[in-house]
Amino acid sequence: KAGVTQTPRYLIKTRGQQVTLSCSPISGHRSVSWYQQTPGQGLQFLFEYFSETQRNKGNFPGRFSGRQFSNSRSEMNVSTLELGDSALYLCASSTGQANSYEQYFGPGTRLTVT
Amino acid sequence: QQQVKQSPQSLIVQKGGISIINCAYENTAFDYFPWYQQFPGKGPALLIAIRPDVSEKKEGRFTISFNKSAKQFSLHIMDSQPGDSATYFCAASIRYNFNKFYFGSGTKLNVKP
Repeated sequence: KAGVTQTPRYLIKTRGQQVTLSCSPISGHRSVSWYQQTPGQGLQFLFEYFSETQRNKGNFPGRFSGRQFSNSRSEMNVSTLELGDSALYLCASSTGQANSYEQYFGPGTRLTVT
Repeated sequence: QQQVKQSPQSLIVQKGGISIINCAYENTAFDYFPWYQQFPGKGPALLIAIRPDVSEKKEGRFTISFNKSAKQFSLHIMDSQPGDSATYFCAASIRYNFNKFYFGSGTKLNVKP
């Protein structure tokens, strides 16, 4: 089975721009979660999508948004980029079913905001 | 407020030794506790996980010990190898919170040959 794929792997953007990141989950998985990883704050939960619906969200400003498509692929968008948004953005895939807890992470997208 | 506290921040162990990483939590509603291993440039990889109804789980050289009353859990890596050098994260989640994982701050393990 193919793992979680994320594109692009690296991005350089300028302050004020917006960016869209993509995640394709493991085949058969219907849940996609997004995390931000920085040296200072560690791994922080952004939001989770299941069957095209946001089921859970973390404490990030509204500039961070996401969506999920009918094939379970997910995109994350960050508008009006700030220097502090520079981070590794990880998506994690799971079945999303009750009593199925395992999450599998992709390699991440390294975003640099200048 | 950090939901899961992890220590130590870094750890140096000789090859063949035992690596021990500890985590503590406050929220008694947590019911799933995984450990992840992350190599530079890679995403975290699920290593081993435990539910609070058992006190220990072993998979190969990796063991989770869980102390429900103390709200602590730890990862033990037996016979540590240089290839185990990575950053390790503990995490916790609540079943009805749908995949919202709270991660520890990470432990950078260096296993010296």
